[in-house]
Formats: sequence, structure tokens, C-alpha cells
Amino acid sequence: KNQVEQSPQSLIILEGKNCTLQCNYTVSPFSNLRWYKQDTGRGPVSLTIMTFSENTKSNGRYTATLDADTKQSSLHITASQLSDSASYICVVMHNDYKLSFGAGTTVTVRA
Amino acid sequence: DAGVTQSPTHLIKTRGQQVTLRCSPKSGHDTVSWYQQALGQGPQFIFQYYEEEERQRGNFPDRFSGHQFPNYSSELNVNALLLGDSALYLCASSPRLESHEQFFGPGTRLTVL
Repeated sequence: KNQVEQSPQSLIILEGKNCTLQCNYTVSPFSNLRWYKQDTGRGPVSLTIMTFSENTKSNGRYTATLDADTKQSSLHITASQLSDSASYICVVMHNDYKLSFGAGTTVTVRA
Repeated sequence: DAGVTQSPTHLIKTRGQQVTLRCSPKSGHDTVSWYQQALGQGPQFIFQYYEEEERQRGNFPDRFSGHQFPNYSSELNVNALLLGDSALYLCASSPRLESHEQFFGPGTRLTVL
């Protein structure tokens, strides 16, 4: 069973609307949790990195939250733009620097 | 300052052939990791190189091998290609072996026919 589960698998939103992606993980203990944005056929690009002691981290219109007690994280996209269409991957770094990846949530923003 | 670069961008091979993918790490980085990403899936860790040695390995068969050169660049070799090896192969570099930072390259899309 994957140690990082993401939901939903995909979603479609209208331009200008907000959306929230979910990530549940079982990795424990862990060093940090990251959210990456991956455009189709391209490498992942880091959006946010949070250590286990951080609750929230923002990067422009992207805001990530972390609840280490429930082992849940979310990524909120505000005022979505067409360029936000991509796959968003939740990644947990173990204490030995190994990475566990979620399968990603594919976001499609429509005009 | 160039980021992580990979070559080639795309590659088409047939079953049974061998392939070599190349990666140049971000300037100042000495650790390289390779990942396989099947369509619609998250990346799967193949192995990691540091000081020209394989340091960690994921659950991949011996058909997958690698090399790191003195200039920190790296190669991924896959022998006896199978249809299931079709994927995006990602290279990521880090400034040192034990680092929280990892920067990904654009990937090489391998198609096995």
C-alpha cells in the first residue's frame, strides 16, 4: 500500500475559482512534506516545503496546510488560472531522506 | 545557472534493446537520483548516486543500472527493454547526499514498442 494517498484523482474547475487538494500519509516519523506542480511531460517543480512543526506555508496563490497529528495535508489554490492546469504531487521525505510520492491530482482549469 | 538537464528529450526503442539516458545535475550539486514515472502515477525511486557510487536503490531489477562521473553527471542504463519500461524518466539532483533539497530535470520520455 502506498504510504502517500492523494484525492481526488482529478478535478475540473472554472477559471477564477478556488480548489483544495488532499494528501494523507502514513510515513512516520518524517522530515518534511512537499507539494510539487508537474506540467504534462515535464519534471516536478517544488511549490511548498513544510517541516513536521509547520502548519501552513504559502507560495503566491498556493497555500499548503499540514496536520501532523492526523497525518493530513492540503493544497489550496486560490483564484485559479489556466496555467494552474497540471498534476499536483504530494511528497513526504523520510528521516533517511528517502522520498515517498503520491500518485498526484490532475487539475484542469477551464475558461 | 543551468538547472538539471536531461537528454534525450524523447526516445523510442523496441523490446529487447538497450537504452542510456543522461543527466547533468544543477551547478553545485553532487548527488543524483533517478525516478521512473508511469503515465498517471507518481515517480518511483530507482537509485541514487553520490561520489560515483550507488548509495540507495529502489525496487527495480538489475536490468536497471547507472553510473556517475567525476563531474557529477550521471547515466541510467536499461537493458533488455520491456513494454512496461515505457515511462517518463526523471533525474533529480541535491547539493549533498543528506539534503532536504531536490531539484528535478525535465525528464526523458521513453517509449518501448
